[in-house]
Amino acid sequence: EDQVTQSPEALRLQEGESSSLNCSYTVSGLRGLFWYRQDPGKGPEFLFTLYSAGEEKEKERLKATLTKKESFLHITAPKPEDSATYLCAVQAPGSGNTGKLIFGQGTTLQVKP
Amino acid sequence: DVKVTQSSRYLVKRTGEKVFLECVQDMDHENMFWYRQDPGLGLRLIYFSYDVKMKEKGDIPEGYSVSREKKERFSLILESASTNQTSMYLCASSPHGQGTYEQYFGPGTRLTVT
Repeated sequence: EDQVTQSPEALRLQEGESSSLNCSYTVSGLRGLFWYRQDPGKGPEFLFTLYSAGEEKEKERLKATLTKKESFLHITAPKPEDSATYLCAVQAPGSGNTGKLIFGQGTTLQVKP
Repeated sequence: DVKVTQSSRYLVKRTGEKVFLECVQDMDHENMFWYRQDPGLGLRLIYFSYDVKMKEKGDIPEGYSVSREKKERFSLILESASTNQTSMYLCASSPHGQGTYEQYFGPGTRLTVT
């Protein structure tokens, strides 16, 4: 069964304490892996798309990496404003042109000052 | 900037009422999606549409229907609202094609059914 699993469910960090969020997937024929940020009570905001193993993308304190089985979202020297839920999603095999995504459950990050 | 708007941020309805949630996107996207999001269950796909008047069931279509009469607008209908449909509803859109495309989300509608 195609599946996306994120860990940990929740993460508490002190400001400046770097860490990583994990997204593991079991889909055949990955077409793309997406990272989103979601603030409480709001819709998810697109961060990155990764297409193939070895690829990396960066944005401010965030860096996303991709292997054949998982993706990591590395957060370097986080600030309280990085507190949010981070969602990982993969483009469903056999989705054709419909753009259907399979989402993980998310990791809720809290960064304390 | 891609803009996806939803008709209401917060909505309170009574059990048995017919509820309409509206979503509009301004980027000429072919694909549109309706999700619900509940604590511990993540995002679950209710319905999606890849063209005007075309629709397909997602993972949890029971109790819902959709309408897509115009390309920019995708409506979610709760035929007879029930308390277990209390949730955050999110609309998204994306281009249609052979490539890999991210979905753009609206701000969400928090629906409470009492």
